[in-house]
Amino acid sequence: GAGVSQSPSNKVTEKGKDVELRCDPISGHTALYWYRQSLGQGLEFLIYFQGNSAPDKSGLPSDRFSAERTGGSVSTLTIQRTQQEDSAVYLCASSLGTSGGAWETQYFGPGTRLLVL
Amino acid sequence: AQKVTQAQTEISVVEKEDVTLDCVYETRDTTYYLFWYKQPPSGELVFLIRRNSFDEQNEISGRYSWNFQKSTSSFNFTITASQVVDSAVYFCALIGWGGFKTIFGAGTRLFVKA
Repeated sequence: GAGVSQSPSNKVTEKGKDVELRCDPISGHTALYWYRQSLGQGLEFLIYFQGNSAPDKSGLPSDRFSAERTGGSVSTLTIQRTQQEDSAVYLCASSLGTSGGAWETQYFGPGTRLLVL
Repeated sequence: AQKVTQAQTEISVVEKEDVTLDCVYETRDTTYYLFWYKQPPSGELVFLIRRNSFDEQNEISGRYSWNFQKSTSSFNFTITASQVVDSAVYFCALIGWGGFKTIFGAGTRLFVKA
């Protein structure tokens, strides 16, 4: 498809389990972003990848959260030992990456809705 | 610290009414970018507009218009002759110069009734 895709669309897990969320950016986009949207905290930046540079992890809420981007394309956000407060919609976005900054137009995926029981 | 405030949590209007969504921001950067996004019920955030801090010219795109005023640190969004399809949550956002972290406001939920 032409847009950003995310999988799964919904994920239900038990507290303490690990989950992996996947993001496929738009082809040719070198910048990739993860955000979290929850009722209590609104929309929060989590992490930013730009090409082969070290990612900006300043928004990750705890060391249970990690993300990687393989081959400069697909990204996986991993949450270890999930907690109920991790329940949220996790959004991924991508942009061209030509300007070197996050002020480029970002194109968002449909999100993964995570529910931790 | 950077902050975006959308004081209006929910707005309800009748179709064809004009509606203005307020956005007030805080930043110490002299160069920064402001954005508006729309999130319809489907959930996917849709980019509407980006302005940089040096461009205070107001912009109009069809029924949408934006009023950027640095003097009041505001970047308000007006929908003229609203339609039911405009029903969504609208987010205002800010990125400082050289930054990678988008700061979002809490969003304003707009209901447009037929």
